[in-house]
Amino acid sequence: EAGVAQSPRYKIIEKRQSVAFWCNPISGHATLYWYQQILGQGPKLLIQFQNNGVVDDSQLPKDRFSAERLKGVDSTLKIQPAKLEDSAVYLCASGGGTDREQYFGPGTRLTVT
Amino acid sequence: DAKTTQPPSMDCAEGRAANLPCNHSTISGNEYVYWYRQIHSQGPQYIIHGLKNNETNEMASLIITEDRKSSTLILPHATLRDTAVYYCIVRAGYNNAGNMLTFGGGTRLMVKP
Repeated sequence: EAGVAQSPRYKIIEKRQSVAFWCNPISGHATLYWYQQILGQGPKLLIQFQNNGVVDDSQLPKDRFSAERLKGVDSTLKIQPAKLEDSAVYLCASGGGTDREQYFGPGTRLTVT
Repeated sequence: DAKTTQPPSMDCAEGRAANLPCNHSTISGNEYVYWYRQIHSQGPQYIIHGLKNNETNEMASLIITEDRKSSTLILPHATLRDTAVYYCIVRAGYNNAGNMLTFGGGTRLMVKP
């Protein structure tokens, strides 16, 4: 089966610019997660969706980050305006299949200059 | 979720068994032990999980102590492709709200020829 798809794979922007990342989960997976992974650290959950509803966004910096999953399938994560400390890999994962595990995409590496 | 403690790095000779320890002394009765790994420039990959019994699959074995305060992930015949960061995570079962993964720093395993 196809895995979690993410695009773009790499993005370089200047601070104060905006950026958007896209995620297509594994078909049939109801749960979708966005994680932020700063270099040298483990991934940190930003937001979790169940279908098109938000389950947990307690660690999402809502003044600059937003995410949506309008039709319960694809999702976008947006940062506006970006700061230097937003430089990280943004990982999307999906779950909820028969084995209930989380499957991760390859991530988008964001560099803010 | 309970916290885990792992050594920051380990080396292993190719073809030998790699034994990765994890301490989770505050684990609760309903919390499982999960292992994920992250190969360079890829998203995390699920390896194995268990509650209290030892588990084995095609990738690895998981040994959980009787008091459940620690566990060991065993890669029986490590190859160069097993070089990665290995994360030990404890979390409640799937039916609990959130189902999030809380990653720590992990163990960086280097398999050497």
